[in-house]
Amino acid sequence: QITLKESGPTLVKPTQTLTLTCTFSGFSLTTSGVGVGWIRQPPGKALEWVAIIYSNDDKRYSPSLRSRLTITKDTSRNQVVLTMTNMDPVDTATYYCAHRMVAQPVMPFTSWGQGTLVTVSS
Amino acid sequence: EIVLTQSPGTLSLSPGERATLSCRASQSVTSNYLAWYQQKPGQAPRLLIYGASSRATGIPDRFSGSGSGTDFTLTISRLEPEDFAAYYCHQYGSSPLTFGGGTKVEIK
Repeated sequence: QITLKESGPTLVKPTQTLTLTCTFSGFSLTTSGVGVGWIRQPPGKALEWVAIIYSNDDKRYSPSLRSRLTITKDTSRNQVVLTMTNMDPVDTATYYCAHRMVAQPVMPFTSWGQGTLVTVSS
Repeated sequence: EIVLTQSPGTLSLSPGERATLSCRASQSVTSNYLAWYQQKPGQAPRLLIYGASSRATGIPDRFSGSGSGTDFTLTISRLEPEDFAAYYCHQYGSSPLTFGGGTKVEIK
């Protein structure tokens, strides 16, 4: 059974850097074709893809957020870490991490964490 | 970037009725890698459909997906009380990955 759980601060101040950790079980990021991504959702709004990292260390970022993002993996700890710099109130959202496979068949995000609400406010 | 436009924004229907949700892409979706998610308040999205028409594990057969290229549809044949929720389409065939703006199915 695949599980993912997000952790990190619930409140950050404008201009600060956000660091979120996704801790997972039931799969390994050393297996070919596995990816762990981040998706966010502002209150009452739609889902927005943020970033993803694959087992081959390929990293992809949302073009609108790319300059502020870094995604890394720690395969020994089964963790993926997302950092977002220069936080702004518009970044207030629930942040989800999720698992996908890109080995045949290519799949979308199939398993999701419960999400963590991050509020940006002074 | 592939922009996904969902319509309508809100669908007001009664239990037992048929729901038809649309997702239109700004360009052709690679290999029809189009998914549909259901999301209830306070919950993470749940995968319903992938590959435009394949149901995910455990999804009832009242949910069906169709379409190809740039036009996709999610159909719920007979709405059950637990189906009133928000629905999102998602293309996962090309980077950047993108989601639609969502359709809320509400009780009339």
